[in-house]
Amino acid sequence: DIQMTQSPFSLSASVGDRVTIFCRSSQTISRSLNWFQQKPGKAPKLLIFAASNLESGVPSRFSGSGSGTDFTLTVNSLQPEDFATYFCQQAFTSPFTFGPGTRVD
Amino acid sequence: QVQLQESGPRLVKPSQTLSLTCSVSGYSMNSRVSGHDPHWTWFRQAPGKGPEWIGFLSSSGGPSYNPSLQSRATISVTPSENQFSLEMTSVTVADTAVYYCAKGNAYWGPGILVTVSS
Repeated sequence: DIQMTQSPFSLSASVGDRVTIFCRSSQTISRSLNWFQQKPGKAPKLLIFAASNLESGVPSRFSGSGSGTDFTLTVNSLQPEDFATYFCQQAFTSPFTFGPGTRVD
Repeated sequence: QVQLQESGPRLVKPSQTLSLTCSVSGYSMNSRVSGHDPHWTWFRQAPGKGPEWIGFLSSSGGPSYNPSLQSRATISVTPSENQFSLEMTSVTVADTAVYYCAKGNAYWGPGILVTVSS
């Protein structure tokens, strides 16, 4: 299985901050990387697919980049509703594994 | 707007079979749109952990399952009722989780907590 790691495990931020979250895969996955946001008691919400494509309806302050094994999720000007846990997921090969998550509070 | 809703028993005894159903609205599972082949997917998330992909079923590629489940999972589709289902046999306490159904990665149900306990 492809292992996904994320850093940091958690971070403290304030409204208006720029936040960057890192995701690394144990082997190359081209650009087959999704980012999800999850709030307590809710289902994960797809933010970005194929490394850098914004899902419909997701604010443009979210962006993704990277290819191969290293990826980033950036939130420009953090808003109150952005405090959540963020997961990356590789969509390159089965089983489609997730990272452990980064909590933004 | 596509919406999904999980249903089924919330308490299952060890060694028994977990059975969940996902009802889909806003999208006809009977539809055949050229180039569009939805993946009817199940995920789960144990308390305090990240999500885990269980598997999916598509009309073109057939089923695909997480090998870690050791062939215990089966996903089936009932287009006439606009539903798809998950069966997982021989459950243990380690299968306690919130189970989510999804259409691909973009549309998820709210989830259902299933507890495995005697």
